[in-house]
This record gives sequence, C-alpha cells and structure tokens, in this order.
Amino acid sequence: AQKITQTQPGMFVQEKEAVTLDCTYDTSDPSYGLFWYKQPSSGEMIFLIYQGSYDQQNATEGRYSLNFQKARKSANLVISASQLGDSAMYFCTILYNNNDMRFGAGTRLTVKP
Amino acid sequence: DVKVTQSSRYLVKRTGEKVFLECVQDMDHENMFWYRQDPGLGLRLIYFSYDVKMKEKGDIPEGYSVSREKKERFSLILESASTNQTSMYLCASLLQGSIHEQYFGPGTRLTVT
Repeated sequence: AQKITQTQPGMFVQEKEAVTLDCTYDTSDPSYGLFWYKQPSSGEMIFLIYQGSYDQQNATEGRYSLNFQKARKSANLVISASQLGDSAMYFCTILYNNNDMRFGAGTRLTVKP
Repeated sequence: DVKVTQSSRYLVKRTGEKVFLECVQDMDHENMFWYRQDPGLGLRLIYFSYDVKMKEKGDIPEGYSVSREKKERFSLILESASTNQTSMYLCASLLQGSIHEQYFGPGTRLTVT
C-alpha cells in the first residue's frame, strides 16, 4: 500500500519565524499529486497547497511553499512568518491514480507568541 | 457554493447495532471517500468510490461496507458496531482528473457504547 510519513507529531515555532513540516511518501507510480491540508481546532479541513509530480517548480501559495524533492520522495511544507492562527494540525496527502487519496498521521503545530 | 454534507454531526450507538452514515455532495464529483480520523493516526481511508456502484477498499475496510447507488450519495455502513469504531468519520469528494483539492464534509463523531 502507498505510505505517507510525517515524522513530527508535534512542533513549536515562535511567531514570525519560518517552520518546515516534513513529509515523505512511498510510491512506484510516476504520476501523483501532493497536497497539504490544515485542520484547526474547529475540525474543518482547509486546503493549503498542491504540487504535481511532474511540476518542475516548487508550488507556492502566499506564506506557504512546498519543498518538493522527487528523487527523495519528499514534500515538505514551509510556512514563512508564522502567525498565531497557524496553530493547527497539518496533513500531507497524496493522490494516486486520480482517485485514491491517502493521508499522513499529521503534525500538530503550535505557534508561540 | 461547493457542498459536502453528512447526515449527522454526532451519533451514539450501541454495540452490535447496524449504523448508516450518509454523505451527499452537490458538485457532480465522480470520486467520493470515507475516512476515519483518530488522534495520532491522521485520516485513514476506509473505502472510496470512483463511480456509481464502484468501490475500492482503502487501508482499513474491515468492519465496514459502502454503498453508492447514486452519484451524489456515498453511504458508509457499520454492519455490527463495535467500541473500537468510535471515531470521527469524514466524507470527501473529488472531481475526477482534477488537480484541485478534495472537499470535505463537517464530519460525524460516532460513539459506540
């Protein structure tokens, strides 16, 4: 089965600093999509960023960027200038075969004032 | 506006009962998913469906079944509820071939006593 690994169950970051959330994955498929979601304490799932496996450039969306290293099967999320509202669970997910989507165990990020 | 709805936000059932969790999306998406979310384990895929009457097992299908008789509706069935099925259940949908994100329902918190 495809496997997503997030090795950081919890992380702390000081407000206004940058933080990197790790994600590695295991697949033999040449084509896949990588997503990061944020889940605040309210429980909703908020889409943050997407990277296609054939995309040459790393994706960026505002303060979010994805450090995609295909050969290492790594898709780390970088949040710049952390804000208190960034405190949440963050999930790395992978879409295979256009219809199979798997999640990592998540990283709980806490931003300290 | 994009919408995925789930039949209940909170549900309490007794061990051995048959439980139905309903999910409806109004976006004409081909793909629909059922996940369960438990602390420290992230979202684990139970089943997904890529078309009417089609279904695929995810990582943890044991003790569950699904039904997709209409494109907009994807039902999760617990044939005989057990206490280890106490969890948050999340339904999601995804447009086939899309690079866009999944759309999630609000979740159903099921407690089996």
